[in-house]
Amino acid sequence: QSALTQPASVSGSPGQSITISCTGTTSDVGSYNLVSWYQQHPGKAPKLIIHEDKYRPSGVSDRFSGSKSGNTASLTISSLQAEDEADYYCCSYTGSGVLFGAGTKLTVL
Amino acid sequence: EEQLVQSGAEVKKPGESLRISCKGSGYYFTSYWIGWVRQMPGKGLEWMGVIYPGDSDTRYSPSFQGQVTLSVDKSISTAYLQWNTLKASDTAIYYCVRTGHYWYFDVWGPGSLVTVSS
Repeated sequence: QSALTQPASVSGSPGQSITISCTGTTSDVGSYNLVSWYQQHPGKAPKLIIHEDKYRPSGVSDRFSGSKSGNTASLTISSLQAEDEADYYCCSYTGSGVLFGAGTKLTVL
Repeated sequence: EEQLVQSGAEVKKPGESLRISCKGSGYYFTSYWIGWVRQMPGKGLEWMGVIYPGDSDTRYSPSFQGQVTLSVDKSISTAYLQWNTLKASDTAIYYCVRTGHYWYFDVWGPGSLVTVSS
């Protein structure tokens, strides 16, 4: 199984909004409402920020939002802050397990 | 507080065996699957497999089937990841993760660094 497709990098200035895409297939992203997103700062364990396509866990800023259309899920971060600079990974249920995206490095300019 | 505590860093030689651990606390350990995620140096996340502490039901990623063994001792709320024959390419950080019914990972362990080098 190949990793879900994410852009290698995105960037934005403080206050702006950015969107990270995550493209899969009809066997994973397109078949289940089970895409999750994780934020990972250098040297730290990842942190869940979106589950089941669009739901935020308690304590996660409402600047983070998730959506999906067909085989592509998206993570949008609004009002960018310096602390958002991190790696972001999407993850989708496949019917027999899960598959991660290759990750996207977000740089806050 | 719900948390997963992992065993410490390991340095092993190729061909050696290893078992690392992950102890859950602050929640009903037998009510959630425990998964394992690999992160090789400078690389992304890879799902390895998952085990249900209630009955030891196990699912493996095709990429890791036959390469590792997942096990659990529910009496001490601890899950294990085991290798029988380590390779240099097993060098990575291994995270254990609490896996909910809807296949997301809401609690992460701090990671166990495994270094395999001759």
